[in-house]
Amino acid sequence: QSVLTQPPSVSAAPGQKVTISCSGSSSNIGNNYVSWYQHLPGTAPKLLNYDNNKRPSGIPDRFSASKSGTSATLGITGLQTGDEADYYCGTWDSSLSTGVFGGGTKLTVL
Amino acid sequence: EVQLVESGGGLVKPGGSLRLSCAASGFIFSNAWMSWVRQAPGKGLEWIGRIKTITDGGTTDYAAPVKGRFTISRDDSKNTVDLQMNSLKTEDTAVFYCTTITWRSEIDYWGQGTLVTVAS
Repeated sequence: QSVLTQPPSVSAAPGQKVTISCSGSSSNIGNNYVSWYQHLPGTAPKLLNYDNNKRPSGIPDRFSASKSGTSATLGITGLQTGDEADYYCGTWDSSLSTGVFGGGTKLTVL
Repeated sequence: EVQLVESGGGLVKPGGSLRLSCAASGFIFSNAWMSWVRQAPGKGLEWIGRIKTITDGGTTDYAAPVKGRFTISRDDSKNTVDLQMNSLKTEDTAVFYCTTITWRSEIDYWGQGTLVTVAS
């Protein structure tokens, strides 16, 4: 059971938009920075978004994030087949004094 | 270019020990907080622990499932960070990733991972 809750899967057609939610509590998302990761099987995960909505160099603006209270959301627009991957949210949990991840969401681009 | 290369993975029996090492290059290692993350087969990412820079005290934090069994250490003279794993359990079977981690706790660079299998 992950500290952060994500939907197991989402799907949408190419060109469409999808959102992935990440729900936590005041000890994690509510009072800490949230980051998002893309993980393609057999490869290293990649940082997509951090500090609640900043993108590393090379990450297109199709990937955006937001946070409200104890929840965060990753949005992906203009879906491409290459976006099919597992997506994770992550943050620090001040009560546990550890980093925490969501359980991951598998994105299928139909 | 930032590179993180893990080594030391393999097959170990339950109750055994294993030491993973991560060689870092392409950045000022002594300025970087480092962490380890794992992914068990068919499961999601799991944060294991982190080590701060010596300047920030060199302190460590660990996730509950590994606290007391795993130890993270760093050698700034060699640009390496190690993960010593003791009292291994079958549920520790996973791909282990070496990463850099910021003070905000985002993980900005990842190694390719090394597989640890705990089985009799």
